[in-house]
Amino acid sequence: EIVLTQSPGTLSLSPGERATLSCRASQSVDSSYLAWYQQKPGQAPRLLIYGTSSRATGIADRFSGSGSGTDFSLTISRLEPEDFAVYYCQQYGYSPATFGQGTKVEIK
Amino acid sequence: EVQLLESGGGLVQPGESLRLSCAASGFTFNTYGMNWVRQAPGKGLEWVSGLNPGATNTYYADSVKGRFTISRDNSKNTLYLQMNSLRAEDTAVYYCVKPLPVGRWLQAYDYWGQGTLVTVS
Repeated sequence: EIVLTQSPGTLSLSPGERATLSCRASQSVDSSYLAWYQQKPGQAPRLLIYGTSSRATGIADRFSGSGSGTDFSLTISRLEPEDFAVYYCQQYGYSPATFGQGTKVEIK
Repeated sequence: EVQLLESGGGLVQPGESLRLSCAASGFTFNTYGMNWVRQAPGKGLEWVSGLNPGATNTYYADSVKGRFTISRDNSKNTLYLQMNSLRAEDTAVYYCVKPLPVGRWLQAYDYWGQGTLVTVS
């Protein structure tokens, strides 16, 4: 199965700053099949990005995704207070679908 | 509005069984493959199982193969997960998830239930 490694484990930033999260795959993933989720404490994950760069319904345009092959990233252009959460990448190009271990974005 | 409502979680002893249910509404349930994803306490996400709209094809993670059975009742818009021979490592919140409305089996999940906690101890 494809292993996704996210970095950094924790990102400490202030509101208004730019956040860049990385997701590296153990083998090449079709860029059509890479997603990002946000999870807040006590809540279910929420789909942010699919197909590497397509925003899900209702997702603010400060969230953007990019990448190809084995290296993908999620960028939050200007952090809002509600953006402090854990973020997971997912590949769904190969079965089984797999998730990264998560990056926590915390308030500095 | 899409809603996924899980139930059936609880505390069981190792070796026992549990059946989870997921009541779906707000979309045409019988046209979507459905999945279960779990999250152990303080840990990441793990896909567990899925099946196609007609329930003719089922899929399992290696960690649950032979112990868990996924099924659905399209007349009741309900997804199930029968969990047998439960182990401590099955302790997790179990989420029912709906894939994006694209025909491909493997998909991102655009709707998640609130989850139901299974504790094996």
